Amino acid sequence: AQSVTQPDIHITVSEGASLELRCNYSYGATPYLFWYVQSPGQGLQLLLKYFSGDTLVQGIKGFEAEFKRSQSSFNLRKPSVHWSDAAEYFCAVSGTSYGKLTFGQGTILTVHP
Amino acid sequence: DTAVSQTPKYLVTQMGNDKSIKCEQNLGHDTMYWYKQDSKKFLKIMFSYNNKELIINETVPNRFSPKSPDKAHLNLHINSLELGDSAVYFCASSQDELWAGTYEQYFGPGTRLTVT
Repeated sequence: AQSVTQPDIHITVSEGASLELRCNYSYGATPYLFWYVQSPGQGLQLLLKYFSGDTLVQGIKGFEAEFKRSQSSFNLRKPSVHWSDAAEYFCAVSGTSYGKLTFGQGTILTVHP
Repeated sequence: DTAVSQTPKYLVTQMGNDKSIKCEQNLGHDTMYWYKQDSKKFLKIMFSYNNKELIINETVPNRFSPKSPDKAHLNLHINSLELGDSAVYFCASSQDELWAGTYEQYFGPGTRLTVT
């Protein structure tokens, strides 16, 4: 069975600081990995995805993530956080089972001015 | 144009009632989903339809019944509502091809269901 763990429930950073959100997955084969962002009262927006190839993937809003098979991780990074990045971030994994996305518990990001 | 839309956005109802949530996507996708997000923000898949056929049915009470009249619509009907059904329900869609694995899912804005 596939699963995702986001170890940090809540992270607070200052505006302009760098950010790394952790994600660890469990899946028997090569996973498909995603990061979504949810602003308060909104739906989920896809930030980036990893299917295959280059293990460093670029997404929208200046985010990137690195797939590390040896560590079963897919951490999300941003070099300089903006106040508008404050939201909840979800990591998700999918295999070849038709569209079944399994989400992590989410990490709430607070940005201080 | 909204890619994935849901109606209503808010739904407040009493225990024991029957209610429906509608979802429509205009992306031309083949696959649609329903997710439930509980009060702790945990997201869990409930159902998935591909070309109007049910392909994922997680452990969900029989009171929940999805209906897909066509590829662009996936409605969720809930009978005999209970307090524990209070949650945010998200519809999503994707263009899946089995040989290629899963494409990204596009989510609707959510329907906040409150059962009193």
